[in-house]
Amino acid sequence: AQSVTQLGSHVSVSEGALVLLRCNYSSSVPPYLFWYVQYPNQGLQLLLKYTSAATLVKGINGFEAEFKKSETSFHLTKPSAHMSDAAEYFCAVGGQGAQKLVFGQGTRLTINP
Amino acid sequence: GAGVSQTPSNKVTEKGKYVELRCDPISGHTALYWYRQSLGQGPEFLIYFQGTGAADDSGLPNDRFFAVRPEGSVSTLKIQRTERGDSAVYLCASSAWGGGAYNEQFFGPGTRLTVL
Repeated sequence: AQSVTQLGSHVSVSEGALVLLRCNYSSSVPPYLFWYVQYPNQGLQLLLKYTSAATLVKGINGFEAEFKKSETSFHLTKPSAHMSDAAEYFCAVGGQGAQKLVFGQGTRLTINP
Repeated sequence: GAGVSQTPSNKVTEKGKYVELRCDPISGHTALYWYRQSLGQGPEFLIYFQGTGAADDSGLPNDRFFAVRPEGSVSTLKIQRTERGDSAVYLCASSAWGGGAYNEQFFGPGTRLTVL
């Protein structure tokens, strides 16, 4: 079985500050890990993915995430927040050969001017 | 360059009615997925098609829910005897190949279903 826990349903940062969104996973098989972003009234958009290659993964819009097996974590970071980053962020896990994704409950990111 | 489209964007129905939600995947994508997103929650998997057949329907909550993909392209999610608890956003996604989770799933904008 696989599961995802996102710590913090709501994160608020100032524009220009570091963004850190936390994700911990549980998986009985080597995981594939994903971060998706959802803007209001839009579909989910893939930010980045980990598929057992490099543990530090760079994505779109300046985001990156690091896979830490010992901590079962896949936290999302961005050095400097921009107002346009305000959205809902979802961490998800999938397994090799498994087609479905298991999502966390999401973290709403608010950027303060 | 059309993405995944879903119709209708909003559907309001009464308890006990039957509804159909449609998904048009990206052309050429063989895998199609349905998820349900309740308010304040992450998407939950419902069913996955590889071609015309349902490869995994373990997420369907009960026998009121059914989905088809008769020609391996468009899919319809059907809900019978709707209940207020069925109110949610229903998301559809497609991917180029269903052989592994590393194949990116492209999501549609969703259909917001409200059962009164």
